[in-house]
Amino acid sequence: DADVTQTPRNRITKTGKRIMLECSQTKGHDRMYWYRQDPGLGLRLIYYSFDVKDINKGEISDGYSVSRQAQAKFSLSLESAIPNQTALYFCATSDLAAGEGNEQFFGPGTRLTVL
Amino acid sequence: AQRVTQPEKLLSVFKGAPVELKCNYSYSGSPELFWYVQYSRQRLQLLLRHISRESIKGFTADLNKGETSFHLKKPFAQEEDSAMYYCALSGLEDSNYQLIWGAGTKLIIKP
Repeated sequence: DADVTQTPRNRITKTGKRIMLECSQTKGHDRMYWYRQDPGLGLRLIYYSFDVKDINKGEISDGYSVSRQAQAKFSLSLESAIPNQTALYFCATSDLAAGEGNEQFFGPGTRLTVL
Repeated sequence: AQRVTQPEKLLSVFKGAPVELKCNYSYSGSPELFWYVQYSRQRLQLLLRHISRESIKGFTADLNKGETSFHLKKPFAQEEDSAMYYCALSGLEDSNYQLIWGAGTKLIIKP
């Protein structure tokens, strides 16, 4: 299922560097999300967007920023990466209006390591 | 506060044995509950939701509002059920429809 894609899939960077993770979707969904996954903590919401002009902070937005360039694209930036941002990052989409309820469709994830 | 609790980080059972992955929630309104699954090297995907009242891959889950639980059950575990399972909650009164996630349970089915 290539409806939600993420680039890069793996990234190793150094403390202080600016990093951008990209997400694209072909599902035509308005809603897009960025999560991080840490062992024992499950998924935590970083940012979400309901349309191109609507961006909202999630549970753990500090140290992150996002850009919704188009309906299909939602990028996550780490302004100055730090080691505790080492995690697996997931992009997801959903479209309530399509009758799919709250089901979210996930990308394959980006494994980020900050040294 | 909205919260989803999965008390077991790891659950290991033998093939053919019954499986129950526990999920408890805290929510003041009318929740919608989900189980998502992540198989090895695959992306996270929806397994089932309580509104659908369906059985997927032999799994069922019943919403118990009295006990605020949504446990996932399967009578006879298969090796291919080995995966990471997440319980999630979304509030029907919350127009933002964010999902609140449990920490996940890793299920290992032993041959």
